[in-house]
Amino acid sequence: EAQVTQNPRYLITVTGKKLTVTCSQNMNHEYMSWYRQDPGLGLRQIYYSMNVEVTDKGDVPEGYKVSRKEKRNFPLILESPSPNQTSLYFCASSLLDGGSEQFFGPGTRLTVL
Amino acid sequence: AQSVAQPEDQVNVAEGNPLTVKCTYSVSGNPYLFWYVQYPNRGLQFLLKYITGDNLVKGSYGFEAEFNKSQTSFHLKKPSALVSDSALYFCAVTPWDNFNKFYFGSGTKLNVKP
Repeated sequence: EAQVTQNPRYLITVTGKKLTVTCSQNMNHEYMSWYRQDPGLGLRQIYYSMNVEVTDKGDVPEGYKVSRKEKRNFPLILESPSPNQTSLYFCASSLLDGGSEQFFGPGTRLTVL
Repeated sequence: AQSVAQPEDQVNVAEGNPLTVKCTYSVSGNPYLFWYVQYPNRGLQFLLKYITGDNLVKGSYGFEAEFNKSQTSFHLKKPSALVSDSALYFCAVTPWDNFNKFYFGSGTKLNVKP
């Protein structure tokens, strides 16, 4: 089954404790992206990747890091989480042609205390 | 600055009636436009897209959207709403000069009452 998986699905942590949210896709997509969803703000793009070792900033990259060492994986790293990063995070993947639909993961609900 | 506006936080319609969910955008050039739907506790699912060509595009589950370049709008429509259409709907655009960046609206909650 074609899918995007994220882990963990739920995470409660404390300020400053480094964490990684994993994302994996099995569709051989070149493009992957991370978004955060906040009430009243919709989805905002954090980082995206066009292929292995090629990443770029979205609209809200501050406080986040990403890496793309393998085509199927695109982890999101919060080196020193803060309460304002409490949010619902989605990973997505698609073909690399702009007009392709994105396939979204199920989401990771992160709470930073 | 690029932006997408969904002016209605919530739209209420009766089952069987037509529905419209509005979207306007401010993006340079000729953008690609998308609609996605989110059901509770789920990720977003693709509904339809406009790339070029006919201004009326048809998508999944009987939804369609009309692209209006002069009004920079891309409203989502369905002739006859179903209770199962109740969900959160997002409009998204990607600008012509960087198809890797995506801008989403704030979302519109559609409530279809029996």
